[in-house]
Amino acid sequence: AQSVTQLGSHVSVSEGALVLLRCNYSSSVPPYLFWYVQYPNQGLQLLLKYTTGATLVKGINGFEAEFKKSETSFHLTKPSAHMSDAAEYFCAVSDLRAAGNKLTFGGGTRVLVKP
Amino acid sequence: GAVVSQHPSRVICKSGTSVKIECRSLDFQATTMFWYRQFPKQSLMLMATSNEGSKATYEQGVEKDKFLINHASLTLSTLTVTSAHPEDSSFYICSARGTRMNTEAFFGQGTRLTVV
Repeated sequence: AQSVTQLGSHVSVSEGALVLLRCNYSSSVPPYLFWYVQYPNQGLQLLLKYTTGATLVKGINGFEAEFKKSETSFHLTKPSAHMSDAAEYFCAVSDLRAAGNKLTFGGGTRVLVKP
Repeated sequence: GAVVSQHPSRVICKSGTSVKIECRSLDFQATTMFWYRQFPKQSLMLMATSNEGSKATYEQGVEKDKFLINHASLTLSTLTVTSAHPEDSSFYICSARGTRMNTEAFFGQGTRLTVV
């Protein structure tokens, strides 16, 4: 079974400051990891994903995440927050070997950006 | 990226009626579609996985007779909430995965269902 824990349901950052969203996972097999962003009343948009290879993954909108197997973590960062980054962020894990390779989501972290 | 269209985006219905939500993959063939439910300020909970031409696989605790899923073609899956009640009010989101995109599923924009 797989699980995802996102530390902090809410994060408040100042515009221009570092954004750090924490994600830890549990998986019995090598995981595929994802970060999604959700704006109000909308679906999910993929920010970035880790499957294999380089552990530092760069995504859209200046976000990046680093897969650390020893820490079972996949934290999301952005050097400088923008007002448009205010949204809900979800970390997810998938096992392609499982039937349907369904995603298991973390609880989400809501980001508030202060001017 | 690939586009998944979900319709309607919002729907209000009366208790006891049924509501159908459509999920379409516009530019790829979706062999597998997923239906999620999201309560306010909560995460997404997988309801069921559907593969084209076969019966959907429901997650534990999801009533298959209440949430009817049909995946009759490679571009369309539907979720029908039967005999809706106020507790069925929620945000429903579909995602679709194609045969050549086995590391990513693309999400629809979601449907806000309100049962009054």
